[in-house]
Amino acid sequence: DQQVKQNSPSLSVQEGRISILNCDYTNSMFDYFLWYKKYPAEGPTFLISISSIKDKNEDGRFTVFLNKSAKHLSLHIVPSQPGDSAVYFCAASAGQAGTALIFGKGTTLSVSS
Amino acid sequence: KAGVTQTPRYLIKTRGQQVTLSCSPISGHRSVSWYQQTPGQGLQFLFEYFSETQRNKGNFPGRFSGRQFSNSRSEMNVSTLELGDSALYLCASSPGTMNTGELFFGEGSRLTVL
Repeated sequence: DQQVKQNSPSLSVQEGRISILNCDYTNSMFDYFLWYKKYPAEGPTFLISISSIKDKNEDGRFTVFLNKSAKHLSLHIVPSQPGDSAVYFCAASAGQAGTALIFGKGTTLSVSS
Repeated sequence: KAGVTQTPRYLIKTRGQQVTLSCSPISGHRSVSWYQQTPGQGLQFLFEYFSETQRNKGNFPGRFSGRQFSNSRSEMNVSTLELGDSALYLCASSPGTMNTGELFFGEGSRLTVL
């Protein structure tokens, strides 16, 4: 049973517009949520995270929103750039699990110029 | 600062063989985690080593094992290879003292089992 789900395998956006990537989770014990970005032939790269005690975290063009009651988080990229084209993974961890992240299967973002 | 280095990058094995993959973490990082990435299952946690001790383990059979050396370098071993073990094996390092989940991944070792 998938504890972290990214229901959209792909997303296409025009340069300059907003990209919204979504993620749902089922485990109420998750207390840390992260987004990773992956380019082909490279390992995932940490992008942004949010603790369960917050509902928003912002870093430049990237903002993550957490809705605990809905068990939903989203990543907003504004404005989107062609270099943002990659696979985005949502991940979660629970308590002392630390580096034992549970990953979603990823959403491929394509930003066209 | 040098990143996480994994060797070999690509390898081909046949069923029944065993394989050893190596990972050198970022200097100063004491935690090394291993993940398996397959098209069907996505990224799945294998295990984590911290200060030469296995600190956490995922839901994989005993054929998958690992170890960590005093210099924090880590190896993982898969014995009696099966076709389903074909995957990208990713190593990730972190300081290990604050488990925020922020990991630094290597480029991975692509294993093909024939």
